[in-house]
Amino acid sequence: AQKVTQAQTEISVVEKEDVTLDCVYETRDTTYYLFWYKQPPSGELVFLIRRNSFDEQNEISGRYSWNFQKSTSSFNFTITASQVVDSAVYFCALSEANTDKVIFGPGTSLSVIP
Amino acid sequence: DSGVTQTPKHLITATGQRVTLRCSPRSGDLSVYWYQQSLDQGLQFLIQYYNGEERAKGNILERFSAQQFPDLHSELNLSSLELGDSALYFCASSRDRLGYGYTFGSGTRLTVV
Repeated sequence: AQKVTQAQTEISVVEKEDVTLDCVYETRDTTYYLFWYKQPPSGELVFLIRRNSFDEQNEISGRYSWNFQKSTSSFNFTITASQVVDSAVYFCALSEANTDKVIFGPGTSLSVIP
Repeated sequence: DSGVTQTPKHLITATGQRVTLRCSPRSGDLSVYWYQQSLDQGLQFLIQYYNGEERAKGNILERFSAQQFPDLHSELNLSSLELGDSALYFCASSRDRLGYGYTFGSGTRLTVV
């Protein structure tokens, strides 16, 4: 069965601090996809990144970076030099290759304080 | 604009009533997914349609049903509404391969009073 755990319910940081959002997943499949989505206060869900299980290369996109480690079943997300606009709920999600549904974690609410 | 259109944006209705939520997928996307987001349950997968056919079912109540029409738009029907059905309902679409990731609509906020 698939499961996604985001142990951090809420995080507050001061602007310009770095922050890492943790994500741990469970799956029995060897082929799967991992995602991060952002939900700002306006409510829409914004796709940030997708990784497949065969690609453990870490990725950096501007101030965002992702650390995928199969050995620990983790897919952590780091925001460098956080900004107030980063305040949102961030969801980690998982999909196994033999299913079409994406299972979301409970989300981490990030507040960046000016 | 994500390209996925959901209407209406807000809906207030009374218990026992029936409502229909509508979703138009992004151009070229054949799959439509419905999710319910509530405070206590988080984002819950309800159902998926692919090119008109039901493809996967999640935690969807029997009072809820959905369909996808030949023009690929989808409707989620919620009946015998209860207070606990108040939630944000998202529609998402994707190409046939999940690896591209979902594109979500802006959601329909349903309030049952």
